[in-house]
Amino acid sequence: QVQLQQWGAGLLKPSETLSLTCTVYGGSLSGDYWIWIRQSPGKGLEWIGDINHSGNTNYNPSLKSRVTISVDTSKNQFSLKLTSVTAADAAVYYCARNFDIWGQGTMVTVSS
Amino acid sequence: QTVVTQEPSLTVSPGGTVTLTCASSTGAVTSSYSPNWFQQKPGQTPRALIYTTSNKHSWTPARFSGSLLGGKAALTLSGVQPEDEAEYYCLLYYGGAWVFGGGTKLTVL
Repeated sequence: QVQLQQWGAGLLKPSETLSLTCTVYGGSLSGDYWIWIRQSPGKGLEWIGDINHSGNTNYNPSLKSRVTISVDTSKNQFSLKLTSVTAADAAVYYCARNFDIWGQGTMVTVSS
Repeated sequence: QTVVTQEPSLTVSPGGTVTLTCASSTGAVTSSYSPNWFQQKPGQTPRALIYTTSNKHSWTPARFSGSLLGGKAALTLSGVQPEDEAEYYCLLYYGGAWVFGGGTKLTVL
């Protein structure tokens, strides 16, 4: 069955770029949507954006100016970049497939 | 800005039935909003329960069901178990964008 494993830097300074990658095991990127979601400490879930295997993207309007989601079909991976982070971007970031299969989450802290 | 509203908290007795709802600031929720429901327990990753209003995943217990009720999306738990105590989130689709509800903390007492 499909599993997602994500990784990336967990500690950033303000104004740096958050970069996370999610590898898909047990399946391909074709035919599905690949999603990034975050959850601030003690708060609810927030959809960041998604991408399909062709590279078509949708972004949360509130983050659109700072977010890029990309896909690398040769590596069966998709990635998230969020520029100019602030303390408000501190959260657990999840990758997911169609919202049904989720990665393990990556806690990102923003501190100077 | 679109807001998706859920009950902040609900309490149910073991064996009882409870319905959680999910409302949209844009008006009545229909199947075109493709309602999804998730369960999250403390320290765990959210787990998908329901997609496109009422469809269950292979791992979703039979006591969970999704529907549309009075212009809202609804998640009904019948025969609640102690392990159902958790935070529940709904998710709605707005033509290219998804919005989560604020979550309902369900207490089984």
